[in-house]
Amino acid sequence: SAVISQKPSRDICQRGTSLTIQCQVDSQVTMMFWYRQQPGQSLTLIATANQGSEATYESGFVIDKFPISRPNLTFSTLTVSNMSPEDSSIYLCSVVISGTGEQYFGPGTRLTVT
Amino acid sequence: RKEVEQDPGPFNVPEGATVAFNCTYSNSASQSFFWYRQDCRKEPKLLMSVYSSGNEDGRFTAQLNRASQYISLLIRDSKLSDSATYLCAVSFTDKLIFGTGTRLQVFP
Repeated sequence: SAVISQKPSRDICQRGTSLTIQCQVDSQVTMMFWYRQQPGQSLTLIATANQGSEATYESGFVIDKFPISRPNLTFSTLTVSNMSPEDSSIYLCSVVISGTGEQYFGPGTRLTVT
Repeated sequence: RKEVEQDPGPFNVPEGATVAFNCTYSNSASQSFFWYRQDCRKEPKLLMSVYSSGNEDGRFTAQLNRASQYISLLIRDSKLSDSATYLCAVSFTDKLIFGTGTRLQVFP
C-alpha cells in the first residue's frame, strides 16, 4: 500500500475564494486521481493527475474550476476556484499501486463554503 | 443506467448473521473489481480485490460473475465493528468507478 497525506484536513472558505489542496505520497506512483464525495453520496472522479502534463478531466469538470498540478511522482495539488456553497464536499486524492491495480485514498479534505 | 449499481440499504442485521451484498456493472470490458469499506467521515479503505476465481479473507468472501456482470461480498458471523458502508468499485483503463455504497448496521 501507500501512505498518503493531504493538507488541509478541513477548511471553511467564503464563496468566491479559492483553496488549494495538497496530496503527498510516500512513494513514487504513476497514477494519481482526485475525487469528490458530497454528503451522503459516493465518490465522483474529478480528474487524473498526469505527471508533467495537463490533467485529464471527467465529464462535468473543467480545468478553470479545478486546476491540478502534478510536478513529480509523489505530489499533486487540486485547486477549487471561485468557490460556491455547491463545492462543499470532501476532496480525496488517490493513487494506484503499480502491478496490483489496487487504489488507495488519502484521508480527504473536508471543505465547507459559506 | 448507472455504470456501477448497488442496493443502498441499510442492511440491519444482528451480530452473528451472514449478510451478502451485490453490485452490478454495465461495462463488460471492465478489468478489475474491488470492495471498499468506508466508515463515517473517513476515507474508503480497500477491503478486498475480487478475482475471477473468487477470494476469501477470513469472514469475507468476494465473488465475480462476468457473464452476469456482478460482484458480491459475503460477510459471515457479522461483528458490531463491521458496521460501515461497503462500496464496490470497477475499473476500466485504470479509472475506478464506484457504486453508491451499501450501508450495513450490525446490532447486538
